[in-house]
Amino acid sequence: DTEVTQTPKHLVMGMTNKKSLKCEQHMGHRAMYWYKQKAKKPPELMFVYSYEKLSINESVPSRFSPECPNSSLLNLHLHALQPEDSALYLCASSQRSLAGALKETQYFGPGTRLLVL
Amino acid sequence: AQTVTQSQPEMSVQEAETVTLSCTYDTSENNYYLFWYKQPPSRQMILVIRQEAYKQQNATENRFSVNFQKAAKSFSLKISDSQLGDTAMYFCAFRMEYGNKLVFGAGTILRVKS
Repeated sequence: DTEVTQTPKHLVMGMTNKKSLKCEQHMGHRAMYWYKQKAKKPPELMFVYSYEKLSINESVPSRFSPECPNSSLLNLHLHALQPEDSALYLCASSQRSLAGALKETQYFGPGTRLLVL
Repeated sequence: AQTVTQSQPEMSVQEAETVTLSCTYDTSENNYYLFWYKQPPSRQMILVIRQEAYKQQNATENRFSVNFQKAAKSFSLKISDSQLGDTAMYFCAFRMEYGNKLVFGAGTILRVKS
């Protein structure tokens, strides 16, 4: 089972709203990722959590706030977003391996399409 | 820094024919991992195939196979017996052995025509 789920599928929000994106996996993976993807462009890494601790923050604006409450869940809290933040937000997970082996393959969720008005 | 280049922005192929998507990369690392991901119009990112750099044998998954040329830093994807469901954006990606950051190419849009 290589399923990563994301909710909601679609989200429309105003620039003053606060909303959250949710990602869940039950594969026992200990690394989880948030990506932002514009149309016809490759995904851009935003955050990486490893063993529920933030390990990579790719200089993302503070209006995006990640949270990893437990090993299966990853949230992305959104506040005071700009129209240019409209994009597909992808979550991914991978099984950590100290040997850096094949288990590190990232599996992606279906994404949340975000529109900021 | 590692870079991944996909030189074909768009390609088309007739149903049942074979098509090859190109990918080159640049790295000074000796061991690493390479991936092809497929993103259909639904925008779900799906793993197609993966290759470990230390393995000389080219990876194969059903109709999908790669031609991995380590010295040339080339990693092309061959799709045999193309199907309409293969229509998608295809991304080539690189990952260092102990890193968890994927470096993506710009993508190739593949259209399979009936």
